Amino acid sequence: KNEVEQSPQNLTAQEGEFITINCSYSVGISALHWLQQHPGGGIVSLFMLSSGKKKHGRLIATINIQEKHSSLHITASHPRDSAVYICAVSSNTGNQFYFGTGTSLTVIP
Amino acid sequence: NAGVTQTPKFQVLKTGQSMTLQCAQDMNHNSMYWYRQDPGMGLRLIYYSASEGTTDKGEVPNGYNVSRLNKREFSLRLESAAPSQTSVYFCASTDQGLNSPLHFGNGTRLTVT
Repeated sequence: KNEVEQSPQNLTAQEGEFITINCSYSVGISALHWLQQHPGGGIVSLFMLSSGKKKHGRLIATINIQEKHSSLHITASHPRDSAVYICAVSSNTGNQFYFGTGTSLTVIP
Repeated sequence: NAGVTQTPKFQVLKTGQSMTLQCAQDMNHNSMYWYRQDPGMGLRLIYYSASEGTTDKGEVPNGYNVSRLNKREFSLRLESAAPSQTSVYFCASTDQGLNSPLHFGNGTRLTVT
């Protein structure tokens, strides 16, 4: 069973393109997280949100609680955005995070 | 400001050998976690510690033990390594359990032959 599903699995874009990564979840949540994993392996937290929208630089995260869906948008994509983007949720019924399998993004100059 | 420090970065073990993965955080976080990451799968929880003095099993605890030595340190021990434990291991911490951002160490790539 996959509590968190991401799409697409792989994404290749030209520099400058607008990118959208989608995340759907099937459990009750208290928060949703977007994480970034660079080729070197380290994972950093980009956003934690429980409603609405958050923006940081060229990154925008949105969540629709009723539809159990979140999107991560990257505007004016750049090769340095190439990474794996992971969606995770904080369960409101258990004591753990659930993670998607990640979306591998490659931005070509 | 180091954040979460995890050692070693790489390790190769023979089947049956033991080792301890070390994790320390300097953010005064209450909760700490050990995950493994395998190709095609999301991060899976091995053990977690909601606060100093407590530890609990996660989704895949078999073959592992943990120690929350103090508020800063949370170690993961493999008593008798098996090839199925070949994986990338991540330590993570949060300030207030599930309702705080996750902070990850840089990972340990473990190969068991």
